Amino acid sequence: EAGVTQSPTHLIKTRGQQATLRCSPISGHTSVYWYQQALGLGLQFLLWYDEGEERNRGNFPPRFSGRQFPNYSSELNVNALELEDSALYLCASSWGGGSYNEQFFGPGTRLTVL
Amino acid sequence: KNQVEQSPQSLIILEGKNCTLQCNYTVSPFSNLRWYKQDTGRGPVSLTIMTFSENTKSNGRYTATLDADTKQSSLHITASQLSDSASYICVVSPGEYGNKLVFGAGTILRVKS
Repeated sequence: EAGVTQSPTHLIKTRGQQATLRCSPISGHTSVYWYQQALGLGLQFLLWYDEGEERNRGNFPPRFSGRQFPNYSSELNVNALELEDSALYLCASSWGGGSYNEQFFGPGTRLTVL
Repeated sequence: KNQVEQSPQSLIILEGKNCTLQCNYTVSPFSNLRWYKQDTGRGPVSLTIMTFSENTKSNGRYTATLDADTKQSSLHITASQLSDSASYICVVSPGEYGNKLVFGAGTILRVKS
């Protein structure tokens, strides 16, 4: 069974640009989560999508947004990039959004903002 | 404020030795606690998940304990191997629908030969 996949692996942008990151969940999983892991820091919850809808978001500015497609894949958009947006962005998927449902993580996209 | 604190920040041990990583949390309400292993540059992989009523859970050489009264958990690694070198992350779920997990900063473990 294929795991969670993310693309691209690495992304280099300059300040003010926009970045788009993509995630394909495990087959059968309807929930997709996005996390930011800045260097040396713990994962920070960004967004949760389930059945095509945004269900919850973390303490991030509105320039972090995303969507979930009918096939449950998802993309994360970061507008007006700032230097501090440089981080590893991880996507996870689960079967539904219940608090006990295990989240399976993808390998991440390393975003560098110059 | 919901927080998860882990100690030590980093740890170096010799191959074959045992070690114990600590996790204290102030997350409320509490649904479950998870330990993840994250290799450098990779996504975290789940090791164990425990609910309020579970005190111990094992996964091979990994054994996690939970004391919900003191809000402490530990991860014990037995007979360490070089492949155990990774970051170990303690994660607590407050039980809200949407699984807004609270992550610790992790303990970086390095196993030397």
